[in-house]
Amino acid sequence: GQQVMQIPQYQHVQEGEDFTTYCNSSTTLSNIQWYKQRPGGHPVFLIQLVKSGEVKKQKRLTFQFGEAKKNSSLHITATQTTDVGTYFCAGRGGSQGNLIFGKGTKLSVKP
Amino acid sequence: DVKVTQSSRYLVKRTGEKVFLECVQDMDHENMFWYRQDPGLGLRLIYFSYDVKMKEKGDIPEGYSVSREKKERFSLILESASTNQTSMYLCASSRNTEAFFGQGTRLTVV
Repeated sequence: GQQVMQIPQYQHVQEGEDFTTYCNSSTTLSNIQWYKQRPGGHPVFLIQLVKSGEVKKQKRLTFQFGEAKKNSSLHITATQTTDVGTYFCAGRGGSQGNLIFGKGTKLSVKP
Repeated sequence: DVKVTQSSRYLVKRTGEKVFLECVQDMDHENMFWYRQDPGLGLRLIYFSYDVKMKEKGDIPEGYSVSREKKERFSLILESASTNQTSMYLCASSRNTEAFFGQGTRLTVV
């Protein structure tokens, strides 16, 4: 079945450093979504990318969708302690709208 | 304010018991999902439903079943609970874009 792979599994950074997480799908995706889960919380939607090669920004966060619509990345510039949490990508591939999540990247930020 | 509500935050059940986890959404969404979340394994899809009485298996359906008799309610059933089903269970609903998650049910099977 459809698989979504995400790396790295963990990332420890010093506050102010940049952070990137990568997502790859075994199949072409109709769209890809990104979620953030704070410690003790539930995943919360950040953004959806639909078009091939699409780039979207939210303040210090930059999201990219690959040309082949099989990979994506999330880049955080100058991390802050409020960025701590686990970041998940999720791909929609099937016509019935199943949403498959990557394993997530757990980000810790040292002040 | 959109809402996905899971019936219990914490649950402790005995091995062999039949367990029902309930999820209700108030957004009139067609799609509903059940995931389990385990350390290092991320969110794994158990079942999803794209309409009333419709269900599709996810990646790990074994040991689980679901019921969607009404659009707003999606139930996850553990036919005979086992210790390896101890986990955090997350329900979500969506239309065609973002998924909204419930707070999760931490199930412990002893």
